[in-house]
Order: sequence, then C-alpha cells, then structure tokens
Amino acid sequence: EAQVTQNPRYLITVTGKKLTVTCSQNMNHEYMSWYRQDPGLGLRQIYYSMNVEVTDKGDVPEGYKVSRKEKRNFPLILESPSPNQTSLYFCASSPTGEDTEAFFGQGTRLTVV
Amino acid sequence: ILNVEQSPQSLHVQEGDSTNFTCSFPSSNFYALHWYRWETAKSPEALFVMTLNGDEKKKGRISATLNTKEGYSYLYIKGSQPEDSATYLCASPITNKLIFGTGTLLAVQP
Repeated sequence: EAQVTQNPRYLITVTGKKLTVTCSQNMNHEYMSWYRQDPGLGLRQIYYSMNVEVTDKGDVPEGYKVSRKEKRNFPLILESPSPNQTSLYFCASSPTGEDTEAFFGQGTRLTVV
Repeated sequence: ILNVEQSPQSLHVQEGDSTNFTCSFPSSNFYALHWYRWETAKSPEALFVMTLNGDEKKKGRISATLNTKEGYSYLYIKGSQPEDSATYLCASPITNKLIFGTGTLLAVQP
C-alpha cells in the first residue's frame, strides 16, 4: 500500500531533550516536506527536500534540522526542543515537486513541557 | 496578494445545500494550485492539483475552477452531505515552498 509513515504518532518530551520524528515513504517520490499545524495558522512548511541530499528551509525552519540521505526517508530533528515547538507535525511527499499532489503522513502530536 | 488566503473561515450548511469557498493566491509567477480535504483526526488528502488558467476539475459532487490571471480558485460542493464535513485547504507554491491557506471549515448538518 502506498503510504507515508510517521513515527511516533504522539510524543511528550521535556525542554532540551533531543528528539527525532521519522518519516518514510514507499512511493519513490522525489519531493518531501515537513509541516507544522497550529490553531489559526494553517499548515506551515518547516523544511523541504527536492531529492537526496538536497534540502532547503521552508517558512518556519528555526529550531529544526532535517536530512535526506536516502530517497525514502526524511527525518525531522529537534536538537533542543522548546515549548513553542508543541504542535501537530505532518510529513508529506509528492512525485516530483509542488505541481503534484502531496501525500501526507498520519501526523505526530508533539508536546514539549 | 503575497499569501494564500481562504474565505470564509467557516461555513455551516444543511444537508442538500450546495456551497462554495474561495482561495486567493499570488497571480504573478503562478505555478500550481492545490485543494485538500482534511477530516478531523485524519491527514489532509488531495482533491485537485490545477495548473492551467480556466481549468475546471471534478470529483463526484466536488468541483473546482481556476483563474490564474486574477489569482483565485473556487471549490464547489453540490448537494452537501454530512460526510463532506471537513476543513478544505488550498495551497500554492511560492518560491519552491508550498504555502497553505488557513482553510475553510465546513459543517454539514443532517
């Protein structure tokens, strides 16, 4: 089944404790991205990747890192999480870029206390 | 317009009503316009990706039109059903980033 898989689905952590949210897609898509969803603000892009080893900042990249060492995986790293990173996070992939539909993962609800 | 904007913010209709929402986006350097449907506790799912001015796409009772010259798209739902209740998002690529509007929350009452 074609899908984008994120883990974990829910996470409560403490300020400053490094964490990684994994994202994997099995559709051989080139373009992958991370979004955060906050009430009243819509989906905001954190980072995106147009292919292996090619990543770039979205609109809200501060406090996040990503890597794209393999085509299928695009982990989101929070080196030192802070409470303002409490949010709902979505990973998405699309075949070639922003002109093709995005397939979203199930979401990760992160709480930083 | 330098951003992607949607209106109305929310809409409450009765079952059987037809409804429509608006998405406004920057018309300069237009590349594509996406529509997604997002049900509570689920992930957004693509409805349409539109690239040509004047394009009209349809999926069942849902259709969308696109005007790239003036920078807007309409999403129409004919004969709304309770299962159409969701947030409808539009998005447009701006300098390689996919920018989403804040969505229109549709509630269809039986």
